[in-house]
Amino acid sequence: EAQVTQNPRYLITVTGKKLTVTCSQNMNHEYMSWYRQDPGLGLRQIYYSMNVEVTDKGDVPEGYKVSRKEKRNFPLILESPSPNQTSLYFCASQTQGQGGSYNEQFFGPGTRLTVL
Amino acid sequence: KQEVTQIPAALSVPEGENLVLNCSFTDSAIYNLQWFRQDPGKGLTSLLLIQSSQREQTSGRLNASLDKSSGRSTLYIAASQPGDSATYLCAVQAGGFKTIFGAGTRLFVKA
Repeated sequence: EAQVTQNPRYLITVTGKKLTVTCSQNMNHEYMSWYRQDPGLGLRQIYYSMNVEVTDKGDVPEGYKVSRKEKRNFPLILESPSPNQTSLYFCASQTQGQGGSYNEQFFGPGTRLTVL
Repeated sequence: KQEVTQIPAALSVPEGENLVLNCSFTDSAIYNLQWFRQDPGKGLTSLLLIQSSQREQTSGRLNASLDKSSGRSTLYIAASQPGDSATYLCAVQAGGFKTIFGAGTRLFVKA
């Protein structure tokens, strides 16, 4: 089954304790993104990757790191989490269509992170 | 800077009614526009994708249109059902693979 998976689905941690949220897709997609969703602010893009070893900042990259060492994986790293990073996080993947267009984005199930 | 607005923020309709959700964006230089559905506490389900060169897309009871020149898209839902109750999000994708989401329209279909 074609899918985007995220782990863990739920995480409660404390300020300053490094954590990684994993994202994996089995569709051989070139493009992957991380988003956070907050009440009243909607979904905002954190980082995206256009292929292996190619990443760039979205609208809210502060406090986050990413890496893309393999095509299927795009982990989100919080080196020193703070309470304002409490949020619902989504990973997405996408492939390029014909003529330079982009096909639809597929989203993972989400990771609910609470930083105390 | 691209901004995406969805109107109305919330909508309540009786079952069977046809309805239109609106999405507007400020910069017409987009690659595509995608409509999603999100149930409470759940992930996003893709409904329709419209490429910048297209005017509309249809899937079942759903029809999405795109007018790039005016910066508008509409999602038409025919014969609404209680199971259509959810939040509907639109997202535009522009240069550099950046994606901007609207705040969503919360739809409630009464049985």
